Amino acid sequence: SQKIEQNSEALNIQEGKTATLTCNYTNYSPAYLQWYRQDPGRGPVFLLLIRENEKEKRKERLKVTFDTTLKQSLFHITASQPADSATYLCALDTHTGNQFYFGTGTSLTVIP
Amino acid sequence: SAVISQKPSRDICQRGTSLTIQCQVDSQVTMMFWYRQQPGQSLTLIATANQGSEATYESGFVIDKFPISRPNLTFSTLTVSNMSPEDSSIYLCSVRPPTGSEAFFGQGTRLTVV
Repeated sequence: SQKIEQNSEALNIQEGKTATLTCNYTNYSPAYLQWYRQDPGRGPVFLLLIRENEKEKRKERLKVTFDTTLKQSLFHITASQPADSATYLCALDTHTGNQFYFGTGTSLTVIP
Repeated sequence: SAVISQKPSRDICQRGTSLTIQCQVDSQVTMMFWYRQQPGQSLTLIATANQGSEATYESGFVIDKFPISRPNLTFSTLTVSNMSPEDSSIYLCSVRPPTGSEAFFGQGTRLTVV
């Protein structure tokens, strides 16, 4: 069956440290992998997109890696801040259709 | 980009009744997507709504329970029919403009069925 799994538990880190979130998938062949941030009571907001032929993408304090052999993406937030506390979702975009397949989400708390 | 206005933002409903959720987009889009997000879980696609045709439902979701309208390229509604407490969830609409790859979401409707 098709599965997209993220860090199984909530992640708590100290302010200033780097947060690393994982997204593992099986039985998909994504053309793109995307990361979204979701705050309580809000819809997800797009952060970054990485294509299947890209290994790494950066945007300010954010970095995403994509390993299609391991079927894994890592999402890093460097110099984390309490304002980074949120749930982070990975989403796979396959070559067919227009829908996304979302991961289970990881709740991140940055402790001051 | 796209800005989506979704309403109501929350509602508490009696079991057996129906609730219609509205989604308005500030630009024309071909496809609109309706998701459900149960407490502590990720997003599950309910259906894809195309203007001028019947919505396409995902496995486990049926038109009688979740009828969808798509009268034009900027508007859609999702109705949750004959509600039970198991329908308590957050419902989200989403669009994906043709010029980009990312999705944009409404703020969600938090539904509680009592």
